[in-house]
Amino acid sequence: AQSVTQLGSHVSVSEGALVLLRCNYSSSVPPYLFWYVQYPNQGLQLLLKYTSAATLVKGINDFEAEFKKSETSFHLTKPSAHMSDAAEYFCAVTSGPGATNKLIFGTGTLLAVQP
Amino acid sequence: DAMVIQNPRYQVTQFGKPVTLSCSQTLNHNVMYWYQQKSSQAPKLLFHYYDKDFNNEADTPDNFQSRRPNTSFCFLDIRSPGLGDAAMYLCATSRVSRPVTEAFFGQGTRLTVV
Repeated sequence: AQSVTQLGSHVSVSEGALVLLRCNYSSSVPPYLFWYVQYPNQGLQLLLKYTSAATLVKGINDFEAEFKKSETSFHLTKPSAHMSDAAEYFCAVTSGPGATNKLIFGTGTLLAVQP
Repeated sequence: DAMVIQNPRYQVTQFGKPVTLSCSQTLNHNVMYWYQQKSSQAPKLLFHYYDKDFNNEADTPDNFQSRRPNTSFCFLDIRSPGLGDAAMYLCATSRVSRPVTEAFFGQGTRLTVV
């Protein structure tokens, strides 16, 4: 069975500071990993995805994540937080082709950005 | 723009009164999903269609049903909504391919049960 664990349900950073949101996965097959962002009363928007190509993945709005197999991690980072980054972030895993891309989500991390 | 559209954005229904939520897509994706997201929780998959094949999650209550009359549309029917069914319902689509592609989400329908 696959799962993801997001450490820290709430993270607060100052504007301009580094953002680090943690995600660890568990999978018996090579995983495909995603980060989504959700603003209040909105759907989920893809930030970036890892699909077994480059281990360092760049996404929208200067977010990036690094797939580390040895650590079973896929942490999300951004060098400098903006106020507009305040939202909830979900890490998700799927087992890939043939599995209809069903996503298993982590419990989410709510990011607050202080002025 | 190609997209996933959910209607309505906000739905209020009475306890026990059947309600239908709709989702349409212009992406021509072969998979459509319905997720339930309760306050401050992760989205939870209820079921999905792969083309016309319906796939129910094991723990999805019988109170929830779905229909996919064609590639573009998918409906979520809640036969007898209870207070515990109040949530955001998210529709998503995906194209099963190699390499794996992401799921595209609609804006969601927030359901209130009174």
